[in-house]
Amino acid sequence: DQQVKQNSPSLSVQEGRISILNCDYTNSMFDYFLWYKKYPAEGPTFLISISSIKDKNEDGRFTVFLNKSAKHLSLHIVPSQPGDSAVYFCAASAISYGKLTFGQGTILTVHP
Amino acid sequence: GAVVSQHPSRVICKSGTSVKIECRSLDFQATTMFWYRQFPKQSLMLMATSNEGSKATYEQGVEKDKFLINHASLTLSTLTVTSAHPEDSSFYICSAAEQGDYGYTFGSGTRLTVV
Repeated sequence: DQQVKQNSPSLSVQEGRISILNCDYTNSMFDYFLWYKKYPAEGPTFLISISSIKDKNEDGRFTVFLNKSAKHLSLHIVPSQPGDSAVYFCAASAISYGKLTFGQGTILTVHP
Repeated sequence: GAVVSQHPSRVICKSGTSVKIECRSLDFQATTMFWYRQFPKQSLMLMATSNEGSKATYEQGVEKDKFLINHASLTLSTLTVTSAHPEDSSFYICSAAEQGDYGYTFGSGTRLTVV
């Protein structure tokens, strides 16, 4: 039962353009969502998060949008840079400091 | 920012032996730590939640007698893979939740290869 889904295994974007990574969830108890960036053989690095009381959170080039009614969130990276190339995971938690449920990940490639 | 140190980064062991992986929160106290496992090109799957001073809570399908978790202090949790088999070969990652916000900090992971 995949409660957090990232349906796009990969995304290719030109440098300077916008990258949009999508994530869907099924568990209505999730109230906190996070995005992580990960390189092979390394631990995930936190990018940005959003709680269910908000619909948007912005941090520099990264913006996360949450649509609770659709159980959908997205990560926008503007402008995209080659250094952004990595695997991006969305994750969700139902309680404070609770366990995270991860999506399958999306491989982002930003071409110069 | 919060730092979680995981050691070793990679280990090769023989079938039947046990391997211990350490996870330390360096600049904060972590009452809760999480252990994940990642197979190649797959998601991070939670194995267990470790709470300081109490028994770990294991996810369904994870053998608690095989994956021993100890969280004896607020800065250290260990995962011991007992009687390792080749199918235990994987990438293991720990995470610590920091009080005060929803921050989860991950260790750098351990690549375990059982031969």
